[in-house]
Amino acid sequence: LAKTTQPISMDSYEGQEVNITCSHNNIATNDYITWYQQFPSQGPRFIIQGYKTKVTNEVASLFIPADRKSSTLSLPRVSLSDTAVYYCLVGAHSGNTPLVFGKGTRLSVIA
Amino acid sequence: NAGVTQTPKFQVLKTGQSMTLQCAQDMNHNSMYWYRQDPGMGLRLIYYSASEGTTDKGEVPNGYNVSRLNKREFSLRLESAAPSQTSVYFCASEKGQTTNYGYTFGSGTRLTVV
Repeated sequence: LAKTTQPISMDSYEGQEVNITCSHNNIATNDYITWYQQFPSQGPRFIIQGYKTKVTNEVASLFIPADRKSSTLSLPRVSLSDTAVYYCLVGAHSGNTPLVFGKGTRLSVIA
Repeated sequence: NAGVTQTPKFQVLKTGQSMTLQCAQDMNHNSMYWYRQDPGMGLRLIYYSASEGTTDKGEVPNGYNVSRLNKREFSLRLESAAPSQTSVYFCASEKGQTTNYGYTFGSGTRLTVV
């Protein structure tokens, strides 16, 4: 399984755009990149998934360069409710290769 | 749809007691997973079931057993609880195929072993 590296923590003010970068140098050809969000006392929640280039949904955007060795989760105009831990995971989603969660990035949004 | 339902939500055990954590999903997912999360840490995989009838060990299986009762249900059993098993336990499920939907997690079981 590809190992991921992401910052331990980040701070941001409300209304700013937040970019969290994840490194995954050993990503395999059939691996997808998936980001999860976890609020205190809750289970992680799927945010976005991509394979290459750019993916956007109502919550976030995911930017993946051509070499796929890193990815950037972009949260537009964050609010206090975006304070959470964000996990970057890389895997094939085949069922036989479970996702491995690291410690994630603890994002604190300040008023 | 309820998604992934875990019971109980909270439990206090004495060292040496046994208990079973229940997990059920109503999304017709093939794969199911048990993770534990200690304070300030990420999730660690205990056991998983890629499909009905199969189970495999994850990173931290010692002290646990699992049963994939049917496609909907995946239980986690602690035969002789130890204080080191104090944690929050999350169950998750997934279609098990390449998908854009990822894992769906339950709300967790907070277990304290005294």
